Amino acid sequence: NAGVMQNPRHLVRRRGQEARLRCSPMKGHSHVYWYRQLPEEGLKFMVYLQKENIIDESGMPKERFSAEFPKEGPSILRIQQVVRGDSAAYFCASSPPRGGSQTQYFGPGTRLLVL
Amino acid sequence: AQSVTQPDIHITVSEGASLELRCNYSYGATPYLFWYVQSPGQGLQLLLKYFSGDTLVQGIKGFEAEFKRSQSSFNLRKPSVHWSDAAEYFCAVGVLDTGNQFYFGTGTSLTVIP
Repeated sequence: NAGVMQNPRHLVRRRGQEARLRCSPMKGHSHVYWYRQLPEEGLKFMVYLQKENIIDESGMPKERFSAEFPKEGPSILRIQQVVRGDSAAYFCASSPPRGGSQTQYFGPGTRLLVL
Repeated sequence: AQSVTQPDIHITVSEGASLELRCNYSYGATPYLFWYVQSPGQGLQLLLKYFSGDTLVQGIKGFEAEFKRSQSSFNLRKPSVHWSDAAEYFCAVGVLDTGNQFYFGTGTSLTVIP
């Protein structure tokens, strides 16, 4: 059973460009979470999605950031017009449908560097 | 508001020595509690978790943690540290009533010296 997959593992963008980060949850998992880790800090929650629904986006910046989890395909975290402060590691996690374990399993992360 | 505190930013231990990493949380009810380990440039690997029941939980790689409600703590322990345990350790609290988002501590960096 493959774990949570994220790609790309590393992404370099210039200021003003767009960044697209992809996450494929573990097989059988229907809940996806995105977290951001700034250097020397812990992970901070950004958004919680189920298929075709955003459940909780209380941690998402109000502008430039969006997330989706379509019926088919991976979850996408999209950052428009990136700035240097967006440089961070972005982690995706997945968990089984509600009622089972609430454990979140994390992917390897995407390290975004904005030049 | 929920919060997680890991008071030790960095710990150094000798190989073979015992280890305890501290974690305190703030939450009104009994939370779900987790410890994750992160090696440099890698993702987070689950070490162990506490949901309910026995307050002493066993995890992978010889780690264990004890939930103490009275102290709002969930400290991670290992009786004998190996050089490969050098990594960053994160304590996390899962809160169902906020959609199951996790709250993470800032991490403890562990260095193991020969």
